[in-house]
Amino acid sequence: DVQLLESGGGLVQPGGSLRLSCAASGFKFSNYAMSWVRQAPGKGLQWVSLISGSGGRTYDADSVKGRFTISRDNSKKTLYLQMNSLRVEDTAVYYCAKWKYSSGWSGDWVDYWGQGVLVTVSS
Amino acid sequence: QSVLTQPPSVSGTPGQRVTISCSGTSSNIGSNTVNWYQQFPGAAPKLLIYSNNQRPSGVPDRFSGSQSGTSASLAISGLQSEDEADYYCAAWDDSVNWVFGGGTKLTVL
Repeated sequence: DVQLLESGGGLVQPGGSLRLSCAASGFKFSNYAMSWVRQAPGKGLQWVSLISGSGGRTYDADSVKGRFTISRDNSKKTLYLQMNSLRVEDTAVYYCAKWKYSSGWSGDWVDYWGQGVLVTVSS
Repeated sequence: QSVLTQPPSVSGTPGQRVTISCSGTSSNIGSNTVNWYQQFPGAAPKLLIYSNNQRPSGVPDRFSGSQSGTSASLAISGLQSEDEADYYCAAWDDSVNWVFGGGTKLTVL
């Protein structure tokens, strides 16, 4: 069975940094694109970042561009999100998401989600 | 404010048919397929419909999707109490990013 287990969340002050991890199992990790999707308390879903199966292509939402970096280690079957210069508005549950195909582009879809990890940015 | 527009809430009685709309533009729904996700309180989203109208295995055929022009719809027929959840549409935008609707809360009366 596909499993995605996020870790690394917590409370951080504005301007601080945090690194999220997502340990994957149950599928050939390197064959599939992965993403981070977040959900602020009481709000809707927001796509954050996307990385191709090989790791060679990454894309970020404008709201996090230049502050967040998505990466992956296919040998460890782990997805990461390095979050710097955190803002109060980054407070959310962050979900690790697996795409059906290797690109994550148009015509693709998220077929599995992790349970999410809470990131709280507050002084 | 979300790029894709959904009604904040819809409601229906058991057995009824309800639809949830998702409105976009030519750069997202108008030129790319739409996916729908279902989310129960406190839980992760779950894939409900992909590629406009395809159901993953395990999703009841009471759920159906359609797309026309720059809009998409999710229909739920034979409404059941366990369908009470939040529903989100999503589409690729040609500006190179994924966009979601703001979500629709379905209440079964």
